[in-house]
Amino acid sequence: GAVVSQHPSWVICKSGTSVKIECRSLDFQATTMFWYRQFPKQSLMLMATSNEGSKATYEQGVEKDKFLINHASLTLSTLTVTSAHPEDSSFYICSAPGLAGEETQYFGPGTRLLVL
Amino acid sequence: QKEVEQNSGPLSVPEGAIASLNCTYSDRGSQSFFWYRQYSGKSPELIMSIYSNGDKEDGRFTAQLNKASQYVSLLIRDSQPSDSATYLCAVIKGSARQLTFGSGTQLTVLP
Repeated sequence: GAVVSQHPSWVICKSGTSVKIECRSLDFQATTMFWYRQFPKQSLMLMATSNEGSKATYEQGVEKDKFLINHASLTLSTLTVTSAHPEDSSFYICSAPGLAGEETQYFGPGTRLLVL
Repeated sequence: QKEVEQNSGPLSVPEGAIASLNCTYSDRGSQSFFWYRQYSGKSPELIMSIYSNGDKEDGRFTAQLNKASQYVSLLIRDSQPSDSATYLCAVIKGSARQLTFGSGTQLTVLP
């Protein structure tokens, strides 16, 4: 199956700094990627849909100025958490739909963010 | 009402037993249904997908879909301790291909 990678796998940063997370589709092109956030003991919540060459679509309640998404190529989407605060500490996971006509989504391994 | 609801559990079954996981969804326009398994600290991995009413079997796993009742289930036969994980029900509606997840059911298979 298709492979999606994320980098870094974990990051610790100080409050007020910005953190960039990369999501790459390794063996297929993804015009759309999805970014999820998962707090401990909770399910995945969709944050935004990243669209190659256009603006991301954010879910209600997600601050687009805080969570900057860039989808500059068919294999790379980035999520930047700006001015991170301890409440942003979470598990961030990206996914990409499979081939055209395929409903399956392929998930990256996730990035664990800890803001001190 | 949540879009996708699951019994949060935890659910414990002895090794070798059948584990039954249930999920209901609110939007009748939902088209595609998935079961994901998530180990602690890991991202979800796809177990089963089902798109039409009835049963779909894959090895020890059987997914059941009843669109009239807006209900989808996952049966795990001959449960193994390695099946211990959180199982997430997910639904796609419309053409956006966005997944909406349930809250997950934590399953523990006791050796």
